[in-house]
Amino acid sequence: EVQLLESGGGLVQPGGSLRLSCAASGFTFSDYAMIWVRQAPGKGLEWVSGISKSGGSTYYADSVKGRLTISRDNSKNTLFLQMNSLRAEDAAVYYCAKAQWPGYPMGYLDFWGQGTLVTVSS
Amino acid sequence: QSVLTQPPSASGTPGQRVTMSCSASRSNIGSNTINWYQHLPGTAPKLLIYDNDQRPSGVPDRFSGSRSGTSASLAIGGLQSEDEADYYCASWDETLNGLVFGTGTRVTVL
Repeated sequence: EVQLLESGGGLVQPGGSLRLSCAASGFTFSDYAMIWVRQAPGKGLEWVSGISKSGGSTYYADSVKGRLTISRDNSKNTLFLQMNSLRAEDAAVYYCAKAQWPGYPMGYLDFWGQGTLVTVSS
Repeated sequence: QSVLTQPPSASGTPGQRVTMSCSASRSNIGSNTINWYQHLPGTAPKLLIYDNDQRPSGVPDRFSGSRSGTSASLAIGGLQSEDEADYYCASWDETLNGLVFGTGTRVTVL
């Protein structure tokens, strides 16, 4: 059974940093691209970032470029999102998801985690 | 900004057929397929339709998808109370080099 478990969310001040993790199990993690998607309060789903199966290619939404960094550790079946210079508009539930393909375009997202909440407030 | 536009809401009584559209504002989705996700607040989103019109195993056949050019539609035939959720279309955008989600449609079962 595929499982994706996010962690690392919490309350952070504007300008602060946070590192999200997504522990994957139930599939060969190193064979697939992975994605981060977020949902701000009262808003729709927004794609944040994607990474190829090897980690060699990364993609970002314009709204997070230069501040958020996606990475993965295939030896530990774990996806990460390093979040720096956080802004109020980054507050959201962050979901990790498994992509259909190993690289870009990554296809559909067939499994999702339950999400982790990031709150940005002073 | 989203380049996939959906109506904000749709509704129906149990057993009715409900449809919702997904329109691309430009042709940058190209030949990339459109996928649909169902999202109940507080839960993990779920893949509902992939490759424009394919249903993953386990998705009831009352859900169907179609596509014509840069527009797509999701239909729910025989609406049930558990179908009350938010529905998003999504596709890869060749210009943005990223995934774009539609604006979302909230389905209410009356």
